[in-house]
This record gives sequence, structure tokens and C-alpha cells, in this order.
Amino acid sequence: AQSVTQPDARVTVSEGASLQLRCKYSYFGTPYLFWYVQYPRQGLQLLLKYYPGDPVVQGVNGFEAEFSKSNSSFHLRKASVHWSDWAVYFCAVNNYAQGLTFGLGTRVSVFP
Amino acid sequence: EAAVTQSPRNKVAVTGGKVTLSCNQTNNHNNMYWYRQDTGHGLRLIHYSYGAGSTEKGDIPDGYKASRPSQENFSLILELATPSQTSVYFCASGDAGTTAEQFFGPGTRLTVL
Repeated sequence: AQSVTQPDARVTVSEGASLQLRCKYSYFGTPYLFWYVQYPRQGLQLLLKYYPGDPVVQGVNGFEAEFSKSNSSFHLRKASVHWSDWAVYFCAVNNYAQGLTFGLGTRVSVFP
Repeated sequence: EAAVTQSPRNKVAVTGGKVTLSCNQTNNHNNMYWYRQDTGHGLRLIHYSYGAGSTEKGDIPDGYKASRPSQENFSLILELATPSQTSVYFCASGDAGTTAEQFFGPGTRLTVL
């Protein structure tokens, strides 16, 4: 069965520093992968998505992610973090009939 | 603007009472989903639907029923609410097929006393 692992429950970063959030997936076949962001007291918003093709995908607000089939990974990156990036980030993989399987999320805190 | 809306946004219920959470989408998507979000568990799928009249069990359906009377509306029903169902509930919609992208509502915070 498919699964998603986000090994870092919490990440703290200084404003202006770079950010990488890790995501490992398990999936039989070629996956569709997603990163969602959840701001405090809000629903999930799509940051970016990977469909088979270019392994590096660009998203909103300067985020990008890189798919690696050999490593079963889909890590999220941002070159320079802003205070408004304080949020919880979820990685997800398509789940055949049932839509999406989510990781547990990574909580990102940004400090000046 | 296409959107997913949920009502109520906050709900306090008593143990043993009936609770209905409503979801409306204007995305014209065939598929709709109900998740609950709890610390340490991420998002877990409760029920989903492929279209009007259809409901399917997700990963944690016990204690919940779902109803999809129309393309736009999808309800989650707790017939006998329990404190363990205290959570934040999210509705989502998505296209049928393999693209799998889902669009989420703002959530309903349910407290069962």
C-alpha cells in the first residue's frame, strides 16, 4: 500500500535562510505527488504538484520540489524563507481510488 | 469563484447527540472527501464519494455516516457523538480520474463534551 513519511515533525529556520522539507513515499508504479501548506486555523492549500515529467516542479511563493524515483523522495525547497511561511507542510501521494495519502506534516517555525 | 465551503465552522455537541457537518463545492468535481485531522495522525480519510448518491468508506469510517444528495453537497453525520470524535474535520473535492489533486474547505472544529 502507498504511504508517505515526513521524517521531521518540526523545523525551525531563520528568516532569509534556506529551507528543505523531506518527504519519502512508497508507491507501486509512477506516483503523483503533492505538497500542501496549512496556515494557522485554515484549510490546506496546494503548493505544487508532480505529474510524470520534469523532476523539478515549481510552485507558488518561491517553493520548488524535486522528485527522485531512485530515492523515493519528493523534497520541498525554498531559497529564502519569509515569516509568512510559518505553517504546517504536508506531502501527499495519490491513492488510486481513495484520492490522497498524506504524511503527518512538518511544522515550520520562522524566527527573525 | 470556485470553492469548498463548510458549515458550521465551529460546533460544540454533547455525548450521544447527533451532529451533521455540511460541505458544499462549486468546483463541479465528481469526487468529494471527508477527513479528520488530529495531532500525531495527520489527515485521515473517513468517507468519500464519486458522485451524487454514492458514498464509500475510507480508512476510519466507524462512528460516521456520509450522504451525497447532489453533486455540490456532501455531509458527514455522527449519529451518536463521542468525545473521541472531537477533532477538526476537512472536506475536499477533486476531479475523477488519476490527477488526484484535491481542493480543501476551511475546516470545522468539533468539540464533543
